[in-house]
Amino acid sequence: DAGVIQSPRHEVTEMGQEVTLRCKPISGHNSLFWYRQTMMRGLELLIYFNNNVPIDDSGMPEDRFSAKMPNASFSTLKIQPSEPRDSAVYFCASSFRSGQDYGYTFGSGTRLTVV
Amino acid sequence: KQEVTQIPAALSVPEGENLVLNCSFTDSAIYNLQWFRQDPGKGLTSLLLIQSSQREQTSGRLNASLDKSSGRSTLYIAASQPGDSATYLCAVYAGSRLTFGEGTQLTVNP
Repeated sequence: DAGVIQSPRHEVTEMGQEVTLRCKPISGHNSLFWYRQTMMRGLELLIYFNNNVPIDDSGMPEDRFSAKMPNASFSTLKIQPSEPRDSAVYFCASSFRSGQDYGYTFGSGTRLTVV
Repeated sequence: KQEVTQIPAALSVPEGENLVLNCSFTDSAIYNLQWFRQDPGKGLTSLLLIQSSQREQTSGRLNASLDKSSGRSTLYIAASQPGDSATYLCAVYAGSRLTFGEGTQLTVNP
């Protein structure tokens, strides 16, 4: 398996633009997580899907952020409009059975810079 | 709310030393604890996963222990090498949430 695949690896955009981050989880994993990493706040959980259904979105910072999982093999995280404070590395992770038994596998991340 | 603390925040050692990284968590009702490694500008690589019913896990030169009752885990690295230089993150899984510590930045000097 190629692991969790995220795209793009790097994104530079202007303030106010829409940004879409993409994630392909490991085949067979039924849970998917979006995390954000910054120097100030470390790794923060944004949203968690189980069987394509959003279970916990309490970490989504505000309405500018939205996430979808239309099928078991694809998820998107969208920021509209983007702001400079959204600059961070965004990680997607997947697991089988919510990570309880087998832990989490992380993608390589998308480094977002909003100027 | 689960809080995870890692000590020390940074560690610099000469090659060959054995070392211990510490992780503590506030809520002992966890399912498992996972240690990750993160190289600069890279993603997270899973090192060891310890279930709540287990006391330790070993992989090569790495050994992780878990004392759930006291809310502590340690990662022991034997015979450290320059290639071990990275940030090591501890994460505990409880409920439906994986909570991370802030990491220990390790530098192993040749």
